[in-house]
Amino acid sequence: RKEVEQDPGPFNVPEGATVAFNCTYSNSASQSFFWYRQDCRKEPKLLMSVYSSGNEDGRFTAQLNRASQYISLLIRDSKLSDSATYLCVVMNNNNDMRFGAGTRLTVKP
Amino acid sequence: NAGVTQTPKFQVLKTGQSMTLQCAQDMNHNSMYWYRQDPGMGLRLIYYSASEGTTDKGEVPNGYNVSRLNKREFSLRLESAAPSQTSVYFCASRGQGYEQYFGPGTRLTVT
Repeated sequence: RKEVEQDPGPFNVPEGATVAFNCTYSNSASQSFFWYRQDCRKEPKLLMSVYSSGNEDGRFTAQLNRASQYISLLIRDSKLSDSATYLCVVMNNNNDMRFGAGTRLTVKP
Repeated sequence: NAGVTQTPKFQVLKTGQSMTLQCAQDMNHNSMYWYRQDPGMGLRLIYYSASEGTTDKGEVPNGYNVSRLNKREFSLRLESAAPSQTSVYFCASRGQGYEQYFGPGTRLTVT
């Protein structure tokens, strides 16, 4: 079983839609959590950290549920430019980051 | 400020050939990492270097060696390439915070 599991998608949504991705992790001792974004044939880039209290950055909201060991990302008012693969990342210690395989999102006009 | 650079961008090797992937960062980061990314697998850590002069194995180190040449540079060597090493290789660096900064990647095909 993979340590970080994500639905690979693809999620195909119209512009303006709200879309949510979930991610589950198996290591209950994991310390920190992140969402990275990866455009096609490009490198991953940090989208946002995920805090226990939940956090919001513009149209993006991230939530963490430690008891159930899952992380979510909500995107409101989707834009064409949101089309990408979203990677769930779990950090076990400073040098042990585990990446999910990613969820592909396509936003259509 | 180039961030993290990697060379080459693309490479085709025959089974048994060797090569070195180069990585450099200009952000004065202590930690550097090598990952491979395969379809359906996510990024997997090959080796990392927490500081100049130290290197440690990650999740999938077999078939690879690394050198932390100085604070800026961290190279990955394949001594005898195998088709199972066909992948996209990313180098990353990290400073004081948690964010890892990735290079543009090297697409390696081993035939």
